[in-house]
Amino acid sequence: DAMVIQNPRYQVTQFGKPVTLSCSQTLNHNVMYWYQQKSSQAPKLLFHYYDKDFNNEADTPDNFQSRRPNTSFCFLDIRSPGLGDAAMYLCATSRDPGGTYEQYFGPGTRLTVT
Amino acid sequence: DQQVKQNSPSLSVQEGRISILNCDYTNSMFDYFLWYKKYPAEGPTFLISISSIKDKNEDGRFTVFLNKSAKHLSLHIVPSQPGDSAVYFCAASARRNQGGKLIFGQGTELSVKP
Repeated sequence: DAMVIQNPRYQVTQFGKPVTLSCSQTLNHNVMYWYQQKSSQAPKLLFHYYDKDFNNEADTPDNFQSRRPNTSFCFLDIRSPGLGDAAMYLCATSRDPGGTYEQYFGPGTRLTVT
Repeated sequence: DQQVKQNSPSLSVQEGRISILNCDYTNSMFDYFLWYKKYPAEGPTFLISISSIKDKNEDGRFTVFLNKSAKHLSLHIVPSQPGDSAVYFCAASARRNQGGKLIFGQGTELSVKP
């Protein structure tokens, strides 16, 4: 089945220790998104890749970076996690960024910062 | 500045009855609206969408209504089933001038009781 896979599902990191979250897709979609969702809040877009073009949201902290080495994979790097970065991180894909096609989400990675 | 709001964090409905989930938005540039359903430990999955040129879209038991003048949309589920118990997110995009970026509401947790 074509899908969006996120690893790990649960990640615990220490305050200030860099962490990388992984997303892969078998849908061959052009666009990959990263969202942050804190408890009982709306998912918030951090950035997205349209093919190799990186699009950062204006209010995404510099602490958050992303890499897309190929069509299938996208990584979220948190350089120095703070307690406020504890959240569910959702990866999503879509065929194009124009909003015509729905986005397909992975199951998420729940990040805990100790 | 929350552009998409779901004011009811939770809703409880009896099996077989109608579930009505509501969503309000503030940005008049939004031209496409979507509903996503999320089960625990899974990512959101696309349910149904509506373009701003329509006021109703139906797919089986699910119908979305759009009232542009009131900047309000609703999702009707008839009849409700226990398997519909999940968190429902409303999302909106302004395809022409925001590149299709989705803005999500906070979600409404629906509980359908047998």
